[in-house]
Amino acid sequence: DARVTQTPRHKVTEMGQEVTMRCQPILGHNTVFWYRQTMMQGLELLAYFRNRAPLDDSGMPKDRFSAEMPDATLATLKIQPSEPRDSAVYFCASGLGRGPSNQPQHFGDGTRLSIL
Amino acid sequence: SQQGEEDPQALSIQEGENATMNCSYKTSINNLQWYRQNSGRGLVHLILIRSNEREKHSGRLRVTLDTSKKSSSLLITASRAADTASYFCATRSGSARQLTFGSGTQLTVLP
Repeated sequence: DARVTQTPRHKVTEMGQEVTMRCQPILGHNTVFWYRQTMMQGLELLAYFRNRAPLDDSGMPKDRFSAEMPDATLATLKIQPSEPRDSAVYFCASGLGRGPSNQPQHFGDGTRLSIL
Repeated sequence: SQQGEEDPQALSIQEGENATMNCSYKTSINNLQWYRQNSGRGLVHLILIRSNEREKHSGRLRVTLDTSKKSSSLLITASRAADTASYFCATRSGSARQLTFGSGTQLTVLP
């Protein structure tokens, strides 16, 4: 079964440190999504790429977060500098299609991030 | 803001019973999706129902959509302990680019 792979699965670091989360989408999928999940806010979309181009990053704090797709097999989400309020589970999902909702999204198992 | 809201927030049933979860949304939708999330894992897509469909089946899952009431229900028949998970509805409205997830129903199936 093809799967979305996220690394690392867990990350604990101190406030102010740079955090990089990586995602390998399913081969052949042309859309990639980054979500953040917390108890308080639920699942929030941070950024969305189609054919490696960013289409929507309005959910992402621009001053500290950045998302890129260096190539079709790798998506990255960086936080610099990190803050305790960034503690959450970050999910990457991929899909195949034109829009974010006309297709099933395939999720990775997430990166559980704790900022001390 | 959340487009879809699931009800109830938590549901506990015995194995073999049916489980029904509801999702209400606010604005007109193109389609509605249901996802399952096991503890510590990512979301898994279960079913997509389009706005012009009223009912859809997949194995033990039955999804209905009532656009006049802006609501959907997910029925799991003959539940199993392995069905224990959180269930989310997700919708996209109008020209919105993103899919918006509800806060989920936590289902516990007791053996």
